[in-house]
Amino acid sequence: GQQLNQSPQSMFIQEGEDVSMNCTSSSIFNTWLWYKQDPGEGPVLLIALYKAGELTSNGRLTAQFGITRKDSFLNISASIPSDVGIYFCAGQTLGGSQGNLIFGKGTKLSVKP
Amino acid sequence: DTGVSQDPRHKITKRGQNVTFRCDPISEHNRLYWYRQTLGQGPEFLTYFQNEAQLEKSRLLSDRFSAERPKGSFSTLEIQRTEQGDSAMYLCASSLTGVVDTQYFGPGTRLTVL
Repeated sequence: GQQLNQSPQSMFIQEGEDVSMNCTSSSIFNTWLWYKQDPGEGPVLLIALYKAGELTSNGRLTAQFGITRKDSFLNISASIPSDVGIYFCAGQTLGGSQGNLIFGKGTKLSVKP
Repeated sequence: DTGVSQDPRHKITKRGQNVTFRCDPISEHNRLYWYRQTLGQGPEFLTYFQNEAQLEKSRLLSDRFSAERPKGSFSTLEIQRTEQGDSAMYLCASSLTGVVDTQYFGPGTRLTVL
């Protein structure tokens, strides 16, 4: 089945640092989405990408839909403590009755001790 | 609050018992999805509805699982004869079909089977 490889699995940040994470797939997706999940809560949508090559920003967050439609990245600039959490990429294939999201395993952001 | 809501937020049950979860989607959304998430993993698709029709079921959805959306609004997910392996977070998402199909998630129901 379809799988997404998300990296890194975890990273430590200091306030003010920029952060990058990415997702790759062996399959083509029509849509890429990035979610953030806090402990005990559901995923919250950060950015949705609908066209190959699209670059979209949401405040300090920037995400791109890869030109091959098999990858996406998310950047967070000037990180702050509330950026801590787990970030998930998700790909979606539309058409027919399909519409379910395929998720990566997440990138856990923690604060450097 | 007009987001997706789920009830209960937490459920502890003994092995062999039946449990039922409810999801209320965003009011104008016609699609409703159920996902399961275990520790350290991303959510995995279980099933989805367009209005009241159940259009797709994952192989993860064993015979002990059943989902309904009788009037095309709220949905219920029932697990019969629960097993310890059913312990997970059960997430509901909704979307409005169109050119794009962006899914918004609820807070989830955490199930613990003892």
